[in-house]
This record gives sequence, C-alpha cells and structure tokens, in this order.
Amino acid sequence: EPEVTQTPSHQVTQMGQEVILRCVPISNHLYFYWYRQILGQKVEFLVSFYNNEISEKSEIFDDQFSVERPDGSNFTLKIRSTKLEDSAMYFCASSEGTVTQETQYFGPGTRLLVL
Amino acid sequence: KNEVEQSPQNLTAQEGEFITINCSYSVGISALHWLQQHPGGGIVSLFMLSSGKKKHGRLIATINIQEKHSSLHITASHPRDSAVYICAVVEYGNKLVFGAGTILRVKS
Repeated sequence: EPEVTQTPSHQVTQMGQEVILRCVPISNHLYFYWYRQILGQKVEFLVSFYNNEISEKSEIFDDQFSVERPDGSNFTLKIRSTKLEDSAMYFCASSEGTVTQETQYFGPGTRLLVL
Repeated sequence: KNEVEQSPQNLTAQEGEFITINCSYSVGISALHWLQQHPGGGIVSLFMLSSGKKKHGRLIATINIQEKHSSLHITASHPRDSAVYICAVVEYGNKLVFGAGTILRVKS
C-alpha cells in the first residue's frame, strides 16, 4: 500500500540553525500539508500546498517557515532560524482531494528538538 | 475561530465494550475528520464526513450538522484499539482545526 514517508525521523539542532524536513507524498496525490504537534498538545495546521503554491497557511507559519516541492516527488518544510519553541513533531500529509473531499494520509513524523 | 471540544478526555474500557467518543464544535463546518494517533505518534485517518453516518469495520462515525456534534463509536472494543482519537473540523478553506483528542485504553 502506498504511504507517505518523512526524513529524518529525528533531528536535533541548535537554536538559530536552519533545518529542512523532507516528505515524499503518495505519488498521485495533489494536495500536501504540514502539521506540527508540540509534546502533549493538539495537532496544529501549518500550511497546505496545491499546484505548486501555498493555498492556506496558519498564523504559526510566519516568515521563518517556507515550503517547496523541488521536484516531482519531494515536499519540504524549511525553518530558517530555529527557536526553542519550534521543538515538536512535524507531520506531512497528502491527499487526492481537499479536506472537504478526501481523507489524508499522514507520514510517520519528524521529531525536531531545538537546543 | 472554531472551538473543537472532545469528551471524554480519557476513557478506560474493558475488552468487548461499546465505546462512544464525542466531538462538538462552535461554528458551522463543511466537513469533519476522525483520526487515530497511535502510541508511537503515527496518525491514521479514519473517516471524513459531512453528513449522516459512515461505517468501517467496527467503527461508526455520525455527524449532526444542526447540533454541531459528531460521535465515533467502536463496537466490540479490543486492546489494539487503544490510541488517541482526534476530531478535526473544516471551517473554511483547505485546513483542519483539531481537537485535543480522547485517550482510549482498552483493557483485556
């Protein structure tokens, strides 16, 4: 069965460093998402992406964050200058349709720790 | 902004019991998702619904749009059902607003 993959599974970085989290969505999916979950808290929407551009973003997704689909398979989340409060689990998801049309397929997550 | 409330926060059941998890929201929505988060952290989508009822195996999800309420039922619960069950709503656009989750533990 096709699945969403994410790399790395864990990343430790120093405050102020740039990190890139990578995702490979399911190949025929058209909609891509990033979510984060701070330990012990709710899952939070960060951004949705369709047709090579951002379709929605949350207030969390400020200028420190960016997303890119550099080729036909990868979908990346970049945090330019990490802060302690960026420590969280980051989930990528993809779907064939929008959230009003289809369920989403989630990757296993990248646990980011900022020291 | 939609407030998504789930109840109960924690639920312990005996194997075989019928389980109900509730979700209510404050503002009209276009769709609602039920998700399962495993102890290791992975998230699986269970249902997306905008009206009525859906069934998959031992899981049943219902939604009442007028009452702004949805329920997830698990029949004949099993220890492998132990997980966090999360309700998420679509208020507008292409994004989900998540509830805090219900922690379910099924004892054998």
